[in-house]
Amino acid sequence: GDSVTQMEGPVTLSEEAFLTINCTYTATGYPSLFWYVQYPGEGLQLLLKATKADDKGSNKGFEATYRKETTSFHLEKGSVQVSDSAVYFCALSEGSTGFQKLVFGTGTRLLVSP
Amino acid sequence: DAGVIQSPRHEVTEMGQEVTLRCKPISGHNSLFWYRQTMMRGLELLIYFNNNVPIDDSGMPEDRFSAKMPNASFSTLKIQPSEPRDSAVYFCASSLERGREKLFFGSGTQLSVL
Repeated sequence: GDSVTQMEGPVTLSEEAFLTINCTYTATGYPSLFWYVQYPGEGLQLLLKATKADDKGSNKGFEATYRKETTSFHLEKGSVQVSDSAVYFCALSEGSTGFQKLVFGTGTRLLVSP
Repeated sequence: DAGVIQSPRHEVTEMGQEVTLRCKPISGHNSLFWYRQTMMRGLELLIYFNNNVPIDDSGMPEDRFSAKMPNASFSTLKIQPSEPRDSAVYFCASSLERGREKLFFGSGTQLSVL
């Protein structure tokens, strides 16, 4: 089946550093791609999405571009803050248009220090 | 506007006992998902419902696990008998049928089976 591979964490950065979290996918069709974020003690929240090749999703300073040629959807942010410390999950939608479901990567923990 | 509500927040039980996890989805959402999160396997989809009907339960690990959705505002995930390897965080999520890809997660139930 379809799958998502993320870089292993933790990723440790200082405040205002540039962030990249790598994500690649394997899919038979043309899935939509997502980044979800999980803050400590909470459930996951949708951060951004892209539905077709070359689309760029963005939210709260985070960006990711759907790259069909490299089957990638890397998450980037120009200047991270301590409040960005969380676990980030890459995901894709799998299945027919009738009943799509999300397949998640294993998550990458980000730790930002002051 | 209440989000997805899960109970209990924490559950500690002994091997062999029955465990019931509960979920109240967001009002008006007609898709409901149960996920399990562990360090080893990340986030796994156990089962999902659409309009209270189970659509895909292929992720349910074995017969000890069962899930029900008797009405649009309530679902349960039951483990009987529980085993130490069932220890994990169990998340419930809901979504609108359209835009099913945007999931709203509860805060999870931390289950420890001793």
